[in-house]
Amino acid sequence: DSQLTQSPSTLSASVGDRVTIACRASQNINRWLAWYQQKPGEAPRLLIYQASTLETGVPSRFSGSGSGTEFSLTISSLQPDDFATYYCQQYNTYPWSFGQGTKVEIK
Amino acid sequence: QVTLKESGPVLVKPTDTLTLTCAISGFSLSNETMGVSWIRQPPGKALEWLAHLFSNDRASYSRPLRSRLSLSKDTSKSQVVLTMTNLDLVDTGTYYCARGVVGRAFDVWGQGTMVTVSS
Repeated sequence: DSQLTQSPSTLSASVGDRVTIACRASQNINRWLAWYQQKPGEAPRLLIYQASTLETGVPSRFSGSGSGTEFSLTISSLQPDDFATYYCQQYNTYPWSFGQGTKVEIK
Repeated sequence: QVTLKESGPVLVKPTDTLTLTCAISGFSLSNETMGVSWIRQPPGKALEWLAHLFSNDRASYSRPLRSRLSLSKDTSKSQVVLTMTNLDLVDTGTYYCARGVVGRAFDVWGQGTMVTVSS
């Protein structure tokens, strides 16, 4: 089974900061990785799929990169609406799996 | 517009069997490029993928929960049903259904339904 490890678990940042979240897979998942944003009390929202493809309607300040086992999500200029928890998810092989999440909080 | 909506009991007892329904609209369960997954989230914890139902009725399950889970669908009613047996306190959480599109992961999610397991 492919396990995903996100780092950091918590990230404190200010509006306007550039932030990067890492996601490491325990085995090669090619580019079958997605990123989601979740706010308290809400369902997750798809941001990026296939490692770097931006979902329709997602602001261009979000970007994804990586392949194989190392991936990252970058927010180029953090906005007030971006304070949330972010999850990576692999869909290369079953069972599919999520990372443990990264909470982005206000510094 | 694509929507999914979960429904089921709010409170269940340990050892009970849980049945959750996901009602879909805006797409077809017969579409070969799409399927429906169930994902859960214990309070304050991470997302956990449970199971996925493909258009051809094939299903894939979480390895630790495989013996307790079952998926089915009613195409005429546009519903996907998740059954989980032998519930435990640790099964408490919000249960989501989500549309899985080939190559695109989970692009649309339901609002989630909270299930509490308690005696």
